[in-house]
Parts: sequence; C-alpha cells; structure tokens
Amino acid sequence: DQQVKQNSPSLSVQEGRISILNCDYTNSMFDYFLWYKKYPAEGPTFLISISSIKDKNEDGRFTVFLNKSAKHLSLHIVPSQPGDSAVYFCAATWGNNDMRFGAGTRLTVKP
Amino acid sequence: GAGVSQSPSNKVTEKGKDVELRCDPISGHTALYWYRQSLGQGLEFLIYFQGNSAPDKSGLPSDRFSAERTGGSVSTLTIQRTQQEDSAVYLCASSLLYRAGGVIEQFFGPGTRLTVL
Repeated sequence: DQQVKQNSPSLSVQEGRISILNCDYTNSMFDYFLWYKKYPAEGPTFLISISSIKDKNEDGRFTVFLNKSAKHLSLHIVPSQPGDSAVYFCAATWGNNDMRFGAGTRLTVKP
Repeated sequence: GAGVSQSPSNKVTEKGKDVELRCDPISGHTALYWYRQSLGQGLEFLIYFQGNSAPDKSGLPSDRFSAERTGGSVSTLTIQRTQQEDSAVYLCASSLLYRAGGVIEQFFGPGTRLTVL
C-alpha cells in the first residue's frame, strides 16, 4: 500500500529555472512531511520539512508547499543549480517516528 | 565518526546463503530503521525499532528477513536463504524519538549493496 506517491520518476530543468517536484499522499493522518535528497552511492540526507499546520516553509532556495485538502505537497527549487541534480524523496509521518517514503524523483539540472 | 555507519558496504552472495548486514546508529538515537532500495525503485520500509518497544516489522517482505537491535544500539538485519530478488541497497537510518512539535529527521547511513547471484 503506497501511502506516499511521487508520480514523476524524473524531471529535467535548465540551470537557473525553477524545479517543481510533486508528491501526493493518501493517509489523512499524516501530520509531518519531509523531503530528502540522495546522491548516488550515498544515503538520503534531510532537506526540508513542513508540519501539517502550515502551508509553506521556506529555506533559502528551497520551498515546500502543502495543500492538505488535496493531500498534495511540492518542493520548489529556485534557482536550480547543477549541484541540485539528485534523487528527491518525499516522506510523511503521523505523529511518531514511523515514516513512509515515496518512490523518488530524479532531478537533472542542465548547465 | 558521528554519522550512521553500515557494514559491509558491498556484499555478493550465492542464492540460498544467509547474510547479515550491520548498522551502527548515531549515539543517543533511540529510533532505528531499515529500508531497502531495489534498482529503479524507491525506499521500501522494512522494520523500525523505537527504544525498548516491540519493533514494527510490518514492512518485512517474508519470514526470511529478521532484524534485531542489541542494547538499544547496533542493529543486524539477517536475510536467510537469499534469493535473487533480495538484491538491493539496504539502508539504515536513525533518529531521536519523536517530540510533539519537533523535527524528526532521520539520518541515513551509506547503505549496503547486496547482490545475490
């Protein structure tokens, strides 16, 4: 049962433009959402998170938007840089340490 | 080092053999997780240990998979009678216990790449 879905396996963006990575979830009990970034041969690293009581959280070039009614969140990267090329995982949890991850979206930022 | 470590980094085994994968979490992290990532797939949850509570084994794909955590620290994931479909990168992560209003970031190790021939 895939409770967290990332329907786009890949995304290609030109350097300097905006990257938008999408994530949908089915469990309305989720109350905390996170984005992780993964480079090849490394473990995922935490990028940014958002609580369900908010609809936006911004950290430098990264902004996460949450639409609870649509059970949808997105990660915006502006401006995109070649070093942002990685696999991005969306994750969700429901008030405890148990976490569910999406399948990931491979972002390629072209110079 | 201060991060999560896993060993071995690579493991090649023959079908039918047993393997053990080790995870050393960050000191003080009482929550520990195992995931696997098959080729072209996302992170598949396997098992989760939280403090002294009974582990959440709901993600283990079959009874050939088991895990234990000794002394609330090091964890071992054991796969018995390995099959070719077990080939994947096995990732371990650790975190502090959840606190209401707190960030519950998981810190991942580099993973163990398992290849079953």
